[in-house]
Amino acid sequence: DIQMTQSPSSLSASVGDRVTITCRASQSVSSFLNWYEQKPGKAPKLLIYAAATLERGVPSRFSGSGSETHFTLTISSLQPEDSATYYCQQTYSTPPTFGQGTKLEI
Amino acid sequence: EVKLVESGGGLVQPGGSLRLSCAASGFSFSDHFIHWVRQVPGKGLEWVSRFIGDENSPTYADSVKGRFTISRDNAKNTLYLQMNSLRVEDTAVYYCARDHGSSWDCWGQGTLVTVSS
Repeated sequence: DIQMTQSPSSLSASVGDRVTITCRASQSVSSFLNWYEQKPGKAPKLLIYAAATLERGVPSRFSGSGSETHFTLTISSLQPEDSATYYCQQTYSTPPTFGQGTKLEI
Repeated sequence: EVKLVESGGGLVQPGGSLRLSCAASGFSFSDHFIHWVRQVPGKGLEWVSRFIGDENSPTYADSVKGRFTISRDNAKNTLYLQMNSLRVEDTAVYYCARDHGSSWDCWGQGTLVTVSS
């Protein structure tokens, strides 16, 4: 199985800050890397797919980059509603696997 | 509107069984992979199983293989997860999620399964 490792596991930031979350894969996943946002008591929501493509309806302050084994999710100007846990996911091979999550507090 | 709605969760004793349902609407059920995913409260996400719409080729996580069975009813646009020989470690919120070109763009609200004596 491909292991996905996110860093940091948690972070605290302020409104207007720029934050970056990193996701590393134990082997290449090409660009089969997705990012999800999950708020307490809610299902995950797709933010970014194919490493860098913004899902329809997601604010443009979210962006993704990377390929192979190293990926980043950047939020350019934090808003209060961005307080959530963020997960990366690889769908390059079965089983699809997730990172352990990054809890972002605003 | 694309929508998935899970049901069937509840409290069950170790060794018991439950059947979860995932009712789909707003899209062609047979044109998409549909996944089962679970999340222990306060923990991360774990893929459980996948069923390909027009083929009888399910796959399972090693942690549930031999105990869980995925199936579907096309007439009802519903996916099922039959869970047998349940263990305490199967306690989790179970989600179904639609695969849309290698990303999962629609998730249900989840149903909680608690395995406890």
